Formats: sequence, structure tokens, C-alpha cells
Amino acid sequence: SAVISQKPSRDICQRGTSLTIQCQVDSQVTMMFWYRQQPGQSLTLIATANQGSEATYESGFVIDKFPISRPNLTFSTLTVSNMSPEDSSIYLCSVELANYEQYFGPGTRLTVT
Amino acid sequence: AQKVTQAQTEISVVEKEDVTLDCVYETRDTTYYLFWYKQPPSGELVFLIRRNSFDEQNEISGRYSWNFQKSTSSFNFTITASQVVDSAVYFCAPFRRKFYFGSGTKLNVKP
Repeated sequence: SAVISQKPSRDICQRGTSLTIQCQVDSQVTMMFWYRQQPGQSLTLIATANQGSEATYESGFVIDKFPISRPNLTFSTLTVSNMSPEDSSIYLCSVELANYEQYFGPGTRLTVT
Repeated sequence: AQKVTQAQTEISVVEKEDVTLDCVYETRDTTYYLFWYKQPPSGELVFLIRRNSFDEQNEISGRYSWNFQKSTSSFNFTITASQVVDSAVYFCAPFRRKFYFGSGTKLNVKP
């Protein structure tokens, strides 16, 4: 398995500001992902965080709104830019291990006022 | 693309009852994986099981068991002798290059 930590665990932000969420895993992994879970909803994949290259975004998500960094094989950040109340969600990072098992971080609960 | 249906939005049972959570998926892929995750009120996603599409053997892990029927594209999850700590939202998720999460089933286990 993998141990994943996220910072911050929760935050309350004002609209128009940006928040950067960190994801740290205890081992080197090739595949890291960022998901969004809006209140009462299922999980939606935002992007795949690629080490050494630009992230791969899913339909409906753009780099200007959700810039992602992946400086090495154990760390990634997701920034939620120019936030609005609609961005209030849980943001989760996940990693895929060699046997296709996927583990999720504890999530970051974001509230935008 | 894949699609998954968890028709049961919410289920309530009394402790010690058995409960089955349904999952039906659609896929054109011949090779894929199926996952179940538990999301307790605290919010973290807990990995429960990963199943390869070629492996149709049912699996039992303690009070948990899974019934995979490829012919009907179903991957149902049964909790035997449910406990209050089982209260959570459970997600079924086919995986082929990426996850396709179902809408989840909220399980309430009452004492």
C-alpha cells in the first residue's frame, strides 16, 4: 500500500483567491492523480499529474484554473485559482501502484465564501 | 468509455443484518479492473478490493464478500453481520486507464 498525506486538510477561502494543495506519498510512484468531489457527489478526475511534463487534464478542467506541479515522483501540488463558491469541494490526490491498486489521500476540504 | 450504476442511493439496516450493495457497469473493454472503496463520514477513501476482469472467482474477506458476474456486468458487495462502523458511502469504480466512479451508495447501520 501507500501512505499519502495532503496539506491542508481543510481551508476556508474567500472568492477570488487561490489555494495550493500539497500531496506527498511515502514511496516513488509513476502515476498521481487529482480528483474533485463536490458536496454529496461522486468523484471526478481533474487531471493526471505527470512528472517532468505538463499535467493531462480531463474534459471540463483547464490548466489556468487548476495548475498542477509534479516536481518528483513523491510529490504534487494542485492549485485552485480565482476561487468561487462552486469550487467548494473535497480535493483528493491518488496514486497508482505497480499492481494497479490505487490509494487516495485523506482529502482537502475546501470551502469558498 | 465506461459507465457504472449504483442504483441504491441509500440503504438503512439494523446492526447484524446482512446487506448487499449492487454495482452494474458497462464497458466495451475486455480487460479492466473493478474496485470498491469505502468513504466514511471523515471523508477519506478506503480501498476495499480490486478485481481483474479475467478473475471471476468470488472473494471473501472477513465480513466482506464480493460477487463478480461478468456475464451480467455486475460486481456486488455484501457485508455480513453489519456493524455501526460500516456506515459510510460505498463506491464501485471500474478502471481502464482511469476510474469511472459510480454515484455511491450510502449505508446507514443503526444500532
